[in-house]
Amino acid sequence: GAVVSQHPSWVICKSGTSVKIECRSLDFQATTMFWYRQFPKQSLMLMATSNEGSKATYEQGVEKDKFLINHASLTLSTLTVTSAHPEDSSFYICSSPGGSGMSYEQYFGPGTRLTVT
Amino acid sequence: DAKTTQPTSMDCAEGRAANLPCNHSTISGNEYVYWYRQIHSQGPQYIIHGLKNNETNEMASLIITEDRKSSTLILPHATLRDTAVYYCIVRPQGGSEKLVFGKGTKLTVNP
Repeated sequence: GAVVSQHPSWVICKSGTSVKIECRSLDFQATTMFWYRQFPKQSLMLMATSNEGSKATYEQGVEKDKFLINHASLTLSTLTVTSAHPEDSSFYICSSPGGSGMSYEQYFGPGTRLTVT
Repeated sequence: DAKTTQPTSMDCAEGRAANLPCNHSTISGNEYVYWYRQIHSQGPQYIIHGLKNNETNEMASLIITEDRKSSTLILPHATLRDTAVYYCIVRPQGGSEKLVFGKGTKLTVNP
């Protein structure tokens, strides 16, 4: 199946700083990438949908100026958490529908655990 | 909001079949039933999906009732590695459609 990687797998940052999370499709071209956030003991919540070469679409309640998404190539999408605060501490996961012929499911990255101190 | 209802938790003995139910009484005609699972601190993993016929793959079987208002995921011989949160999701088949996760069922496989 298609492989999606994320980097870093975990990161600790100080309050007020920005953190960039990378999501890469390793063996297919990811036209669309979804970004999710998951707080402890809760389910995944979709934050935004990004399409290569266009602006991301954010879900209601997600601040687009705080969570910057860039999908500049078919293999890389990035999520930047700007001016991070402790309440942004969460597990961030990306996913993609996969390439041609694999359109019925989504492939998820392993996730990035962000801790803001 | 998620359009499915699942039990919060279930237990299963290792080697036995695990049957995970899901109610989706408002499912539309073009919506499929998808199952994903998430092992602790990992990204979700696709298991199986179906429209109205029963489906089976190397991981599991999916039984969908005739009225399509409920389904059951069956893990025929559960192992300790099957301990995870299992999510039942209904949506159109296209992979580009977003997934809306409910609370899922925490399955614990006991030795």
